[in-house]
Amino acid sequence: DAGITQSPRHKVTETGTPVTLRCHQTENHRYMYWYRQDPGHGLRLIHYSYGVKDTDKGEVSDGYSVSRSKTEDFLLTLESATSSQTSVYFCASRSRDRGEETQYFGPGTRLLVL
Amino acid sequence: AQSVTQLDSHVSVSEGTPVLLRCNYSSSYSPSLFWYVQHPNKGLQLLLKYTSAATLVKGINGFEAEFKKSETSFHLTKPSAHMSDAAEYFCVVSDKGYSTLTFGKGTMLLVSP
Repeated sequence: DAGITQSPRHKVTETGTPVTLRCHQTENHRYMYWYRQDPGHGLRLIHYSYGVKDTDKGEVSDGYSVSRSKTEDFLLTLESATSSQTSVYFCASRSRDRGEETQYFGPGTRLLVL
Repeated sequence: AQSVTQLDSHVSVSEGTPVLLRCNYSSSYSPSLFWYVQHPNKGLQLLLKYTSAATLVKGINGFEAEFKKSETSFHLTKPSAHMSDAAEYFCVVSDKGYSTLTFGKGTMLLVSP
């Protein structure tokens, strides 16, 4: 699997506070993704990036922002956390190589918003 | 837009019996399809993928899936379940340019001794 790490792995925060989750990959992949996983919903795409400083919204982007200043790092920010953002967050990355469609996932971050 | 429907939220089998996890997809183009597995409190691992080559795709741990365009299906099978197969399985379809994935809601596979 691609070398993808996420930090922190667990976080508890309070409603209204800002939270930043970090995804780091060592594969020089062009594409990176943030998903959230909730029971009964599978994984839903929040935002993705197709290059440094190039990002786009996914299915559930409201309340989230992202930044990518380096190929290897993709940050997800909750500007003002709400209880509805309690979830497990997964990062993924993919090569841009022709024929390489597979996304590789990180271990996840469990976020609890009280 | 593409979508996937996993027809069962839970499937229970006995160890040693066949596994069938059902997935139907909707797409306006010829899609790429994937099955991922997630063991409890773990990340997602790719089981297999279909990308317009052979319609019968073999994956890891004895799993395979068959792409049937006429039925818009991509069911996952295994001849003989093992206790270690107990996990949640996701059927996934990519968009036309492979930029984004759309996940089904998942099927929890329970394996009893």
